[in-house]
Amino acid sequence: ETGVTQSPTHLIKTRGQQVTLRCSSQSGHNTVSWYQQALGQGPQFIFQYYREEENGRGNFPPRFSGLQFPNYSSELNVNALELDDSALYLCASSREGTSYNEQFFGPGTRLTVL
Amino acid sequence: AQTVTQSQPEMSVQEAETVTLSCTYDTSENNYYLFWYKQPPSRQMILVIRQEAYKQQNATENRFPVNFQKAAKSFSLKISDSQLGDTAMYFCAFMKLNNNNDMRFGAGTRLTVKP
Repeated sequence: ETGVTQSPTHLIKTRGQQVTLRCSSQSGHNTVSWYQQALGQGPQFIFQYYREEENGRGNFPPRFSGLQFPNYSSELNVNALELDDSALYLCASSREGTSYNEQFFGPGTRLTVL
Repeated sequence: AQTVTQSQPEMSVQEAETVTLSCTYDTSENNYYLFWYKQPPSRQMILVIRQEAYKQQNATENRFPVNFQKAAKSFSLKISDSQLGDTAMYFCAFMKLNNNNDMRFGAGTRLTVKP
């Protein structure tokens, strides 16, 4: 069983640029959630994708957007990058349809905005 | 809104000894889930244990029993027989039932196990 993978591992961008982060869900999982983890803090929920549609969103502005593909992989896009967007971005996959959906996390993408 | 508080930014323990990590939360919900996650230097979040609020019995997972006090909104994790591999950040998290994986995490406790 393949676990959750994310790419790239590290990324450096400058303020105002756009970035795309990628996530491959664990085999058999159909739901992907994205989290932002700033240095020294716990992860914050950005949004969740299920059946290729956004299915729940945290307190993040519209410049944070995403996609889910038919194979359940997902992208997180961030436009007009700001310095405060520097963080570890985690994705987690789960299998929707059961009463409890354990999330399995990927190793994250470390984004630095200069 | 739900908030999760971990009042211990850093803890240390000698190998083979026991340590307790504290977590309190605030919610008006009656049914929810609570979690402890471990994040080692590899950055990958690993589920340690899960508690369902509607179950009175404390969850336990090998060396990691929890003390769940629903009325006090407290959810502490005990790590017994600490091992060097337990060194990591530990996050407490809360999630309402059927809430689209919108988990609320605390700020974390950095645990160091000393040889």
